[in-house]
Amino acid sequence: EVQLVQSGVEVKKSGESLTISCEASGYPFFNFCINWVRQMPGKGLEWMGTICPSDSSTTYSPSFRGHVTMSTDSSVKTAYLQWSSLKASDTAIYYCVRLEFTSTFWGQGTRVTVSS
Amino acid sequence: QSVLSQPPSASGTPGQRVTISCSGSISNIGSGSVNWYQQLPGTAPKLLMYGNDQRPSGVPARFSGSRSGTSVSLAISGLQSEDEADYYCATWDTSLNGWVFGGGTKVTVL
Repeated sequence: EVQLVQSGVEVKKSGESLTISCEASGYPFFNFCINWVRQMPGKGLEWMGTICPSDSSTTYSPSFRGHVTMSTDSSVKTAYLQWSSLKASDTAIYYCVRLEFTSTFWGQGTRVTVSS
Repeated sequence: QSVLSQPPSASGTPGQRVTISCSGSISNIGSGSVNWYQQLPGTAPKLLMYGNDQRPSGVPARFSGSRSGTSVSLAISGLQSEDEADYYCATWDTSLNGWVFGGGTKVTVL
């Protein structure tokens, strides 16, 4: 069974750094790219970008490029989303997703709250 | 402003048919297939439809999808109370080189 298990709730202050994680199981980690999707409070879904573990290649949405960094560690089958300096506007739920044309697998989401 | 346009809300009484539209352009809906996601309150989205009109295993037959040009539609026939949720369309955009989502449609069962 494909599973994406994300790290827990985070409460941070503006300017702090943060890394959240997404551990994959049930499939060959190298073979599928992982996407990150943001959902701000009461709002819709926004694609942030994708990272492919096979070659660590990344594609960022223009809206998020330069503000977040995606990475993977294949030894522990885990994808990461990192901020070096959080803003209050980063308050949201972040989902890791195996997004494909014929199937989709979602993590449970990581709620991030950033206070100013 | 989402790349794919959806009405913000739709509603119906139990048993009615509700249709949700999703409009895009030649670089997204016009050049690939669309997925639909259902998000129940407080939960992660779930794949409801893929390939414009294909239901994954376990999705009730009352959900159906269609496509015409650069628009797609999701229909819920025989609306039930458990269908009250947010619905999102999504597809790959060849100009943006990334996935794009609709803004979401909140379905309310009256």
